[in-house]
Amino acid sequence: AQSVTQLGSHVSVSEGALVLLRCNYSSSVPPYLFWYVQYPNQGLQLLLKYTSAATLVKGINGFEAEFKKSETSFHLTKPSAHMSDAAEYFCAVSAGNNRLAFGKGNQVVVIP
Amino acid sequence: DTGVSQDPRHKITKRGQNVTFRCDPISEHNRLYWYRQTLGQGPEFLTYFQNEAQLEKSRLLSDRFSAERPKGSFSTLEIQRTEQGDSAMYLCASSPRTSLTSYEQYFGPGTRLTVT
Repeated sequence: AQSVTQLGSHVSVSEGALVLLRCNYSSSVPPYLFWYVQYPNQGLQLLLKYTSAATLVKGINGFEAEFKKSETSFHLTKPSAHMSDAAEYFCAVSAGNNRLAFGKGNQVVVIP
Repeated sequence: DTGVSQDPRHKITKRGQNVTFRCDPISEHNRLYWYRQTLGQGPEFLTYFQNEAQLEKSRLLSDRFSAERPKGSFSTLEIQRTEQGDSAMYLCASSPRTSLTSYEQYFGPGTRLTVT
């Protein structure tokens, strides 16, 4: 079965600083990987996805993530944090079995 | 394309009552999923439909839970004899039929259930 580990439930970042959210996955088959963002009282919005094409994936709102098979990682980054980036971020993996397995999420707080 | 919609957005019920939630997927998406999200956790898979067929159910889906998608369009999730542990956000998602994007899921706003 596939799974995802996200460490550090709360992440504080200064406005204008680098955002780095770590995601490590476990999968017995080549995975599809996703990052979703959730704003308060809303559903999940897809930020970006890895589906075995380019290993560096660019998403919406200036976010990008790099798939590293050797490290089983799919870390999310954004060069310069904006106040509007304050939200909860979830990494998810699908191993082709129609279900997504999510990590516990990172609550990002942006400090002005 | 108006996205995935869910109704109601909020539901407060007393323990022991039955509740039913509705999900309308993005039109022509043949796959529909239900997830449950509790406070401080990521969503957990409950069940999956391809068209009207329910193809997969999680162990989390006890016999008090039932989901249907009668015409392959909207879906309902019913919880019978609700318990306080059922309090959670119930999320619906849908995905299109193309092979490259079939694992990309689009989520609705969720239904927040509070059992008192």
